Amino acid sequence: EVQLLESGGGLVQPGGSLRLSCAASDFTFSNYAMTWVRQAPGKGLEWVSTISGSGTTTYYADFVKGRFTISRDNSNNSMYLHMTSLRADDTAIYFCAKDDATIPLAGTFDHWGQGALVTVSS
Amino acid sequence: DVQMTQSPSSLSASVGDRVTITCRASQEISNYLNWYQQKPGKAPKLLIYDASNLETGVPSRFSGSGSGTRFTFTISSLQPEDIATYYCQQYENLPFTFGGGTKVEIK
Repeated sequence: EVQLLESGGGLVQPGGSLRLSCAASDFTFSNYAMTWVRQAPGKGLEWVSTISGSGTTTYYADFVKGRFTISRDNSNNSMYLHMTSLRADDTAIYFCAKDDATIPLAGTFDHWGQGALVTVSS
Repeated sequence: DVQMTQSPSSLSASVGDRVTITCRASQEISNYLNWYQQKPGKAPKLLIYDASNLETGVPSRFSGSGSGTRFTFTISSLQPEDIATYYCQQYENLPFTFGGGTKVEIK
């Protein structure tokens, strides 16, 4: 059964940095694009970033461009989100999600992790 | 960006009722539309992909239809375990965008 497990969330001060990890198992990780989606407390879902299966192509929402970096290590079946210059409005649960097809950018998320809470506050 | 507008934002229905949620896209997205269910404190779960295809293992009381800019999600007979918030999501264009969600409650 496909499993995705996020880690690395926590409390960080405004302007600080944090790195989230997503450990994947039970599927051929390098074949699938992977995505981060976030959800602010009591709010809806918001796409953040996607990385292709090979890791060569990345996509970002405008509100994180230049501040967040998505990456992956296919040898360790892991994906990362390095977040810098964090702001209060980045406070959210960050979910990692797997694309449902082995094409560079499917956009349908068929498996999700349980989420990692990031709180940006002084 | 493609704006996704869901309605209603919340609804209350009785067990066994037919429930319908609408999602409108601000521009044509063909059938590049998914529906997700999110129960409180849980991750979203894919229910419907490509506007009308039922994800494996999802009960047949869930269905989706539509194309272009107007889409519909239906629960044919509401069950207590269907209490959740439902989201539409378009993937025709980046950035991928979600509707605001519809919270479904039992009357």
